[in-house]
Amino acid sequence: DGGITQSPKYLFRKEGQNVTLSCEQNLNHDAMYWYRQDPGQGLRLIYYSQIVNDFQKGDIAEGYSVSREKKESFPLTVTSAQKNPTAFYLCASKGPRHGLGWHEQFFGPGTRLTVL
Amino acid sequence: QKEVEQNSGPLSVPEGAIASLNCTYSDRVSQSFFWYRQYSGKSPELIMSIYSNGDKEDGRFTAQLNKASQYVSLLIRDSQPSDSATYLCAVRPNTGNQFYFGTGTSLTVIP
Repeated sequence: DGGITQSPKYLFRKEGQNVTLSCEQNLNHDAMYWYRQDPGQGLRLIYYSQIVNDFQKGDIAEGYSVSREKKESFPLTVTSAQKNPTAFYLCASKGPRHGLGWHEQFFGPGTRLTVL
Repeated sequence: QKEVEQNSGPLSVPEGAIASLNCTYSDRVSQSFFWYRQYSGKSPELIMSIYSNGDKEDGRFTAQLNKASQYVSLLIRDSQPSDSATYLCAVRPNTGNQFYFGTGTSLTVIP
């Protein structure tokens, strides 16, 4: 069953700690994305990757880092430099649905990060 | 900066009515348009995509696109309480891989 998985579902971080959020997809999509969503707000792009070993900063990349060593995986690290990291983090990938047609963007279930 | 504007609502409709959600965008070269449904505490779910002017129907949902007016809408016929959610409009330009999202419209369907 194809899809996007994110782990963990909930994550608690102490101030000063780095944490890594996992995102895996088995849809054979090339492009992957990380967004942040705050209550009552839209999605803000953190980083995106169009291909393995390549990624670009989005609108709010400061305090975050990513890697794309495998097509299936696009982990996001929230560093201690991110001053207000409490948010809902969404990973997405872009590609044709069921391998056919136009490229659409699909989301994983999300990780809710809380800083204690 | 490419902007996508939605009325934040909340929009309330009675069960069985038609819900109409609207979205405008600023980038004239946008090519692809998407509607997502997001239940509280959950991730967005793609419900409609539209690429050419006119209407596209899928079950109770109809997306309408007017590129000249830079306007895309979503109609939900025979609204059900289970349609109560936030609806996000997204736009992808001709070039690049980025998607631009509106802030969403909150819809409540009253039984």
